[in-house]
Amino acid sequence: AQSVTQLGSHVSVSEGALVLLRCNYSSSVPPYLFWYVQYPNQGLQLLLKYTTGATLVKGINGFEAEFKKSETSFHLTKPSAHMSDAAEYFCAVSVPSNYQLIWGAGTKLIIKP
Amino acid sequence: EPEVTQTPSHQVTQMGQEVILRCVPISNHLYFYWYRQILGQKVEFLVSFYNNEISEKSEIFDDQFSVERPDGSNFTLKIRSTKLEDSAMYFCASSGDQAGNTIYFGEGSWLTVV
Repeated sequence: AQSVTQLGSHVSVSEGALVLLRCNYSSSVPPYLFWYVQYPNQGLQLLLKYTTGATLVKGINGFEAEFKKSETSFHLTKPSAHMSDAAEYFCAVSVPSNYQLIWGAGTKLIIKP
Repeated sequence: EPEVTQTPSHQVTQMGQEVILRCVPISNHLYFYWYRQILGQKVEFLVSFYNNEISEKSEIFDDQFSVERPDGSNFTLKIRSTKLEDSAMYFCASSGDQAGNTIYFGEGSWLTVV
């Protein structure tokens, strides 16, 4: 069975500072990994995904994530936070034979001016 | 960019009533999903649908729930005899292929049961 743990329900950074949102997963088979973002009063939007190949994945809005198998992690980063990045971010995992996504609890990113 | 659309965006219903949430998936997609998110909790998988039948469902998706694709475009979630604990945001999603391909989500239907 798969599971996802996101460390920190809230993360607060200053505008222009590095953003680091942590995600660890558990999977008995090679996983597919996703980050989704949910802006206030909006749906879930895919930021980036890892399936196979290059372990550093670049997504929209300057975000990237690195799949580290040895650490079972898929942390999301952005070099310089912008006020518009304020949202809730969800890490999710699935496996190739399975249709469903297993979700983390989400991390609310707060940007301080 | 193609998008998944959901209606209604918000519905208030009395306990015991039936609710139908509607979704229009992306037109060339083959896999359809419903997820829900109770306020303050994780997003939870409910059901996936492919080739006009349920391909997977979670423990949450009991006899109270049903899904249907009544025509070539709509995908509906029916909740019979709603309970207070059914209050949640319900997300419809679709994808062109199995897990690993991008799953596109709608903006959600917020259901409040009173």
